[in-house]
Amino acid sequence: GAVVSQHPSWVICKSGTSVKIECRSLDFQATTMFWYRQFPKQSLMLMATSNEGSKATYEQGVEKDKFLINHASLTLSTLTVTSAHPEDSSFYICSASYSGTSYEQYFGPGTRLTVT
Amino acid sequence: AQSVAQPEDQVNVAEGNPLTVKCTYSVSGNPYLFWYVQYPNRGLQFLLKYITGDNLVKGSYGFEAEFNKSQTSFHLKKPSALVSDSALYFCAVRDIETGGFKTIFGAGTRLFVKA
Repeated sequence: GAVVSQHPSWVICKSGTSVKIECRSLDFQATTMFWYRQFPKQSLMLMATSNEGSKATYEQGVEKDKFLINHASLTLSTLTVTSAHPEDSSFYICSASYSGTSYEQYFGPGTRLTVT
Repeated sequence: AQSVAQPEDQVNVAEGNPLTVKCTYSVSGNPYLFWYVQYPNRGLQFLLKYITGDNLVKGSYGFEAEFNKSQTSFHLKKPSALVSDSALYFCAVRDIETGGFKTIFGAGTRLFVKA
């Protein structure tokens, strides 16, 4: 149980275009979803936290207009990287948690974004 | 502020030997502590957690962790390492200061198990 999927697993896009990454909780309702960015050989950097039906809470230094997060339902959250640039190339990971789990998170497999 | 520290970037162990991956924490109030594992090019997997109760917590894949309040530590252990345990391990603490939604991750420790 507690499976989270991400799509796509990898994507290459041209500079200036936008990319949407989907995160789905497959067998539970995720009250809270998180988006992380991970650089090579580094820890996870939390980008934003979102609760279903409300606006995402972004971490300091994360551009809201560049990284658009939508948590439309209890099983789906999307991250859209707008006007992508090469420095946005990274490994993006989503996670989800639900009430009753003492806040452990269940992670998606990640999406590797390469902006050329 | 809540934080976790993983003092070792890398741990090397021979297969069959016991392994320990260290973690210390700093929190206000009672800690909610977690261990996660990340295999190459994959997301993190939940291993185990300490919320309350017995200081020795058992988790997935034969791992366990010992909560030590006096030393503010939560070291991950396994009695006999497998080559397949080679991965990146993250200690984490729930950030109760922000209402408990966020989790703060340590820098990670890379475990190499040699056959």
